[in-house]
Formats: sequence, structure tokens, C-alpha cells
Amino acid sequence: EVQLVQSGAEVKKPGESLKISCKGSGYSFTSYWIGWVRQMPGKGLEWMGIIYPGDSDTRYSPSFQGQVTISADKSISTAYLQWSSLKASDTAMYYCARLPKNTYYDILTGDQLYYYYYMDVWGKGTTVTVSS
Amino acid sequence: EIVLTQSPATLSLSPGERATLSCRASQSVSSYLAWYQQKPGQAPRLLIYDASNRATGIPARFSGSGSGTDFTLTISSLEPEDFAVYYCQQRSTEGFGGGTKVEIK
Repeated sequence: EVQLVQSGAEVKKPGESLKISCKGSGYSFTSYWIGWVRQMPGKGLEWMGIIYPGDSDTRYSPSFQGQVTISADKSISTAYLQWSSLKASDTAMYYCARLPKNTYYDILTGDQLYYYYYMDVWGKGTTVTVSS
Repeated sequence: EIVLTQSPATLSLSPGERATLSCRASQSVSSYLAWYQQKPGQAPRLLIYDASNRATGIPARFSGSGSGTDFTLTISSLEPEDFAVYYCQQRSTEGFGGGTKVEIK
């Protein structure tokens, strides 16, 4: 069974650091992107960034660039989301999700290209509460 | 920056009725558009990808259409378990629309 298992709920104080995890199983961890999505209480989904564990290629939403760090350890099939200094506004549910790579061929050059954006398998989420 | 606008914000319908949800992009996203369902206390679930392809295990009453800037998610006959929030998502880093809540009338 394909699964993403996320680490447990966290309660932190402003200014503290935090690293939450997402462990993949049941599939080739290095062949899919992993994404992180934030959901603040009562609000919608926000795309934070993605990482390709195969080579650690990482992309961030402009809204989250510099605010968080996404990393992965392919030897243990685990992706991470970390903060160096939490703020109360980081209080939210954080989901990790798998992004399949889809191939297509450039009709002009015949080159094999690929795209990835939708998230087909999700973790259950990690609640992060930041409060003094 | 591509912005996705979902409408309506809330849709009040009865079981058995047809639901039509809209997602409009501020510029073309080709067919790179996905739909998700989220129920309270649960992670989102992928319903539709590439505008019209149903994800694995998704019932046939869910269908997606559109390309370019205008997309539609249709639920042909609402089941009790379909009352939830629905999000669209496009390919770039700006990600998701604001959501449509489908509630019981």
C-alpha cells in the first residue's frame, strides 16, 4: 500500500525551530516529487513547495521562499519541512503529498519531457501550534 | 502569477441533485488542472487531474471538463458523502483556488 506517514502534532513557542517529517512507503520514493501544503485554521489550501528526493531539486512558492526549508533523505524515504524561527502565524495543519511525474514528447524535437503538479497520495497531516 | 477563482463559494443542494462547480484561471493553464475533495478533519483527496481524468477509485458521477482558463467539476447526482469542500489546482507554484463548499440544502 502506498502511504505517506507524517510526524505527530507539535506545540512550540514563537522563535523556536521545528522540523516535521513525511515518510513514504509502498513505492519508489526517489521517482516522485513530494510536496508540502499548508492549511491554516478554517482556511483553504496553500502550495508551499516541492522536492524531488532523487536529486533534491527543490522549488518553493514565492510566498514561502525563505520562510521554510524543504529537504529529503532518500536513504530513509523521508521528506522534511523545517522552520528556523516559528511565528504564531505558522499555526496550521501541514500536509505532505506525492506528485507523479508524467511524461510527454515535444512534437517538434521528439524530446521526452515531463510535468508534475497534481498530488495523488496525501499524508494525514501534522498540526503545528505556535503559541507563547 | 496565475490566480484560480472558484465559484460559487458555497453551493446548497439536496442529495440526488446535480452539482456544477467552476474554476477560472487568470491566464491559460492548458489542461493542467486538478480537482480535490476535502471533508472536515481529513486530508484532501485527488478527484480529477489533467482537467478530465478521474483518479483511481473515483466514482463515475464525478467528471471534469474545460481547458485554457475555464474549467468545471460536475457531480451528476449528489450522494450524502459528497458534501464537502472542493478545490481546483493548477500547475504553477501559486497552486490552489479558494474552494467551493457543497452543503446540504
